[in-house]
Amino acid sequence: AQTVTQSQPEMSVQEAETVTLSCTYDTSENNYYLFWYKQPPSRQMILVIRQEAYKQQNATENRFSVNFQKAAKSFSLKISDSQLGDTAMYFCAFLKPGTASKLTFGTGTRLQVTL
Amino acid sequence: DAGITQSPRYKITETGRQVTLMCHQTWSHSYMFWYRQDLGHGLRLIYYSAAADITDKGEVPDGYVVSRSKTENFPLTLESATRSQTSVYFCASTSSTSFSYEQYFGPGTRLTVT
Repeated sequence: AQTVTQSQPEMSVQEAETVTLSCTYDTSENNYYLFWYKQPPSRQMILVIRQEAYKQQNATENRFSVNFQKAAKSFSLKISDSQLGDTAMYFCAFLKPGTASKLTFGTGTRLQVTL
Repeated sequence: DAGITQSPRYKITETGRQVTLMCHQTWSHSYMFWYRQDLGHGLRLIYYSAAADITDKGEVPDGYVVSRSKTENFPLTLESATRSQTSVYFCASTSSTSFSYEQYFGPGTRLTVT
């Protein structure tokens, strides 16, 4: 079974600064997908970014980018120019295709963006 | 409105009572999921369904029952609620033909068992 580890329960960053959230995972699979989901205080789960394991290029979505290190099984999320609206829980998740699209989540990192 | 909805949004019940949480999606997605969110555990899969009348257990299925008679609905029943089932419950769905594998989540139901 796959496991996903987020070792930073809480983080804080000042507005306009850059922050990196860590995620590691354990799998014997070669083909898989990794996700970062954001959960603001509204509780709604929102997909931030997605990475396909067979793609070497790191995914980017506006201010959000990932550092995907397949050999190290690491998938960190970098948030540039942090905004107050980035305050949320962030969950890293793993998916193996062909397993009914089931997601395995990490325990989450609570990010607080301050003035 | 289109999307995925859950009801109720908040529920307080007593130990031993039966509770049903509802989930409805309008996209005709094949896959539907139930997760529970607890501090220190993230989201854990309770049950999932690949299509109408096809359901299977996830990581933490004990004490829960699901059914899926229609594609758009996926109710979760706690047959005899316990305090350990106090949690936030999320329903999600995705298409079987999606190459992005993105799951779309409902707004969640906060359940308190007293």
